[in-house]
Amino acid sequence: DAEITQSPRHKITETGRQVTLACHQTWNHNNMFWYRQDLGHGLRLIHYSYGVQDTNKGEVSDGYSVSRSNTEDLPLTLESAASSQTSVYFCASSESGQGRNTIYFGEGSWLTVV
Amino acid sequence: SQQGEEDPQALSIQEGENATMNCSYKTSINNLQWYRQNSGRGLVHLILIRSNEREKHSGRLRVTLDTSKKSSSLLITASRAADTASYFCATAPRGAGNMLTFGGGTRLMVKP
Repeated sequence: DAEITQSPRHKITETGRQVTLACHQTWNHNNMFWYRQDLGHGLRLIHYSYGVQDTNKGEVSDGYSVSRSNTEDLPLTLESAASSQTSVYFCASSESGQGRNTIYFGEGSWLTVV
Repeated sequence: SQQGEEDPQALSIQEGENATMNCSYKTSINNLQWYRQNSGRGLVHLILIRSNEREKHSGRLRVTLDTSKKSSSLLITASRAADTASYFCATAPRGAGNMLTFGGGTRLMVKP
């Protein structure tokens, strides 16, 4: 079955370190997204991509970057981790096309920055 | 800023009762979707309603959409303990491509 997987599922890192969260989908979806989920803020969009070599900033992109070198993967990098980036991160994907924006989510990556 | 806002933020009911959650949004939309999230898990798509639809059913779920009031409701009938989860509305604003904007969610607890 097609799926979307995230790794690592749990990570503790120190302030200032670079961290990369991996996301891999086998749906062959063109669209991929990264959200963070925090109490009181719901899900907020960090970055998104509509295809290979395409990346776009979302609502809360500062301190994060993504790259899309193939259809299956959209890694999220925290350049210099800050305590404010302690959160749960969800990768998601969807098909292209009008009305085909049902999103399929990964199981989440819990990141703690100490 | 969140496009959708759910109401109430938390809801506690007894098994067998109906649960109603509401969502309000701000801009014109292509469609509105509802998602469910079990504790510690990712979100799962429940139902999509297009802007030209007023009501949609799926099993025990009933969704309504009122574009004039920019609001939607999700009704879960005959609730079960297994329905305990957070429920999120997500809107696809016109002109925003395939992006979805999520509200803050309603935490539903169904007591056995």
